[in-house]
Amino acid sequence: GAGVSQTPSNKVTEKGKYVELRCDPISGHTALYWYRQSLGQGPEFLIYFQGTGAADDSGLPNDRFFAVRPEGSVSTLKIQRTERGDSAVYLCASSSGIGELFFGEGSRLTVL
Amino acid sequence: GIQVEQSPPDLILQEGANSTLRCNFSDSVNNLQWFHQNPWGQLINLFYIPSGTKQNGRLSATTVATERYSLLYISSSQTTDSGVYFCAVEEAQGGSEKLVFGKGTKLTVNP
Repeated sequence: GAGVSQTPSNKVTEKGKYVELRCDPISGHTALYWYRQSLGQGPEFLIYFQGTGAADDSGLPNDRFFAVRPEGSVSTLKIQRTERGDSAVYLCASSSGIGELFFGEGSRLTVL
Repeated sequence: GIQVEQSPPDLILQEGANSTLRCNFSDSVNNLQWFHQNPWGQLINLFYIPSGTKQNGRLSATTVATERYSLLYISSSQTTDSGVYFCAVEEAQGGSEKLVFGKGTKLTVNP
């Protein structure tokens, strides 16, 4: 596609539920990144993929968070047993590998 | 890990004024980008500028990698320039291609 696409744009869930957030990168981009942004803060790195493999997952806060990119294109960020503190905007970005990242519009997650 | 500091944290301008935003970083970088986050939350690429100077319309940026800082210049500001400006860097020795963001400069341009 023309840009990075993220779905859903908004997700409201209850504490303890499971959530999946999807990212469709720019066509041909090999690198894909997930970030999380809380109100008034800069984006914080979660994980990045080079192709199908997670090249760096050091930003995942705990084992409730997991991400996959099985065919090297679309990625899904999965959050188990959601907590109120998980409420944030989850941003996805992709890159051709040259260095410049392009971000999607984000998925706003609210955990009640 | 690398530290990224942006200044000032907040800036209020009258339409037509010029401004300079600063980004300091604590270590060598492979990549530096400036982004504008609009009021709807979209992060828009402004410059990919690990070194040197670039210009795009009323905006320009300079990175002096040896002195570990970058500057973003906005001339003849417009109300549509309002939002948060982020600097983000990729640490050269970090072994990862992740970008580390500063806390941003919140710019308000009044008519």
